[in-house]
Amino acid sequence: DGGITQSPKYLFRKEGQNVTLSCEQNLNHDAMYWYRQDPGQGLRLIYYSQIVNDFQKGDIAEGYSVSREKKESFPLTVTSAQKNPTAFYLCASTREGTVNTGELFFGEGSRLTVL
Amino acid sequence: AQSVTQLGSHVSVSEGALVLLRCNYSSSVPPYLFWYVQYPNQGLQLLLKYTSAATLVKGINGFEAEFKKSETSFHLTKPSAHMSDAAEYFCAVSQSGGSYIPTFGRGTSLIVHP
Repeated sequence: DGGITQSPKYLFRKEGQNVTLSCEQNLNHDAMYWYRQDPGQGLRLIYYSQIVNDFQKGDIAEGYSVSREKKESFPLTVTSAQKNPTAFYLCASTREGTVNTGELFFGEGSRLTVL
Repeated sequence: AQSVTQLGSHVSVSEGALVLLRCNYSSSVPPYLFWYVQYPNQGLQLLLKYTSAATLVKGINGFEAEFKKSETSFHLTKPSAHMSDAAEYFCAVSQSGGSYIPTFGRGTSLIVHP
């Protein structure tokens, strides 16, 4: 079955360490997104990529980095520059082109806790 | 520009009662509108969407929503709540003819009492 796989599901990190969250999709979707979710704040866009080898900052990109070397993969690195990284991170994808309505397909999420 | 407002961070109903979750949007062009549901420690799942066809949209699990342009609203309803409906619900808007990147509301937590 097609879908989006995020790993790891739970991750603990010490302050000052970088950590990379994996996101892989086999839906043949062009666009991929990373959102951060905090209680009571909804989903906030970190980065998005509409084609391979290209990506744009979202609303809260500071302290994060991404790459898009393959259509299927869009990893997110949470760097030590991110001051408050403890959160639930969601990866999503969507089709591009004339069929695109903005409907997103989500992974199961990764919960990062900084100790 | 686009934005979404969900009225009420928590809504509490009794099992069997009507569910009403409110969503108002702003958009400079005709919108696409979505409701998603999220269960604890899981990703979001699409409940239903409005993409400029019928204004009354039916979704999964007995939910439906009505697009009202004059009120800029897209409220989610279900006639009879079930315990399994307890979850977080998100309204989202994207713009037709634009970049399609959706904007999400802050979410409403639905609590169902026995």
